[in-house]
Amino acid sequence: DTGVSQDPRHKITKRGQNVTFRCDPISEHNRLYWYRQTLGQGPEFLTYFQNEAQLEKSRLLSDRFSAERPKGSFSTLEIQRTEQGDSAMYLCASSSNTDTQYFGPGTRLTVL
Amino acid sequence: AQSVTQLGSHVSVSEGALVLLRCNYSSSVPPYLFWYVQYPNQGLQLLLKYTSAATLVKGINGFEAEFKKSETSFHLTKPSAHMRDAAEYFCAVSAGPTGFQKLVFGTGTRLLVSP
Repeated sequence: DTGVSQDPRHKITKRGQNVTFRCDPISEHNRLYWYRQTLGQGPEFLTYFQNEAQLEKSRLLSDRFSAERPKGSFSTLEIQRTEQGDSAMYLCASSSNTDTQYFGPGTRLTVL
Repeated sequence: AQSVTQLGSHVSVSEGALVLLRCNYSSSVPPYLFWYVQYPNQGLQLLLKYTSAATLVKGINGFEAEFKKSETSFHLTKPSAHMRDAAEYFCAVSAGPTGFQKLVFGTGTRLLVSP
């Protein structure tokens, strides 16, 4: 059990560019979650997968955001045409059929 | 719907003093409650969780929390603070163990520990 990993840890981009983040969950965890955390706030739910199926998306997830989990293992979160308001820490978590979500270290996005 | 309120964005204690971080919840169903800790530029680490079993829950690093349904509270305590406890603490609630388990977090409490 190596824990949840995220790549990259930091990303600086210019407004209008596209970015993609990757999350590798704990092996055999069938649930994967994305959260966003802005400065001074708690994490806010973005979306959730059970295996490869995306079961719910928050209204925070605008049309510029898309998430995939093609084979039920790793997941990617893409932001198109980034805006300065997208600057945040993007956290990934995974869980099995229990009630505990295990979080990765996060990807910190800065949009200039 | 679920929500969490954490009273006090900052709490300062001296090393060796009692730590008390407050969390009140609102839930339309029996809640599952969690405390997570976040160190600078890191993800969240689970401290402890309440899942409808014992109301007094013991976690890692000497922390514990008590679920009080009548007060809708789940306050986090530690008898004696250490410098290494300085971090951000988040209380969170979910609707239960089965099916979809979105976590709803509070805004966090930063714990400052002075020598």
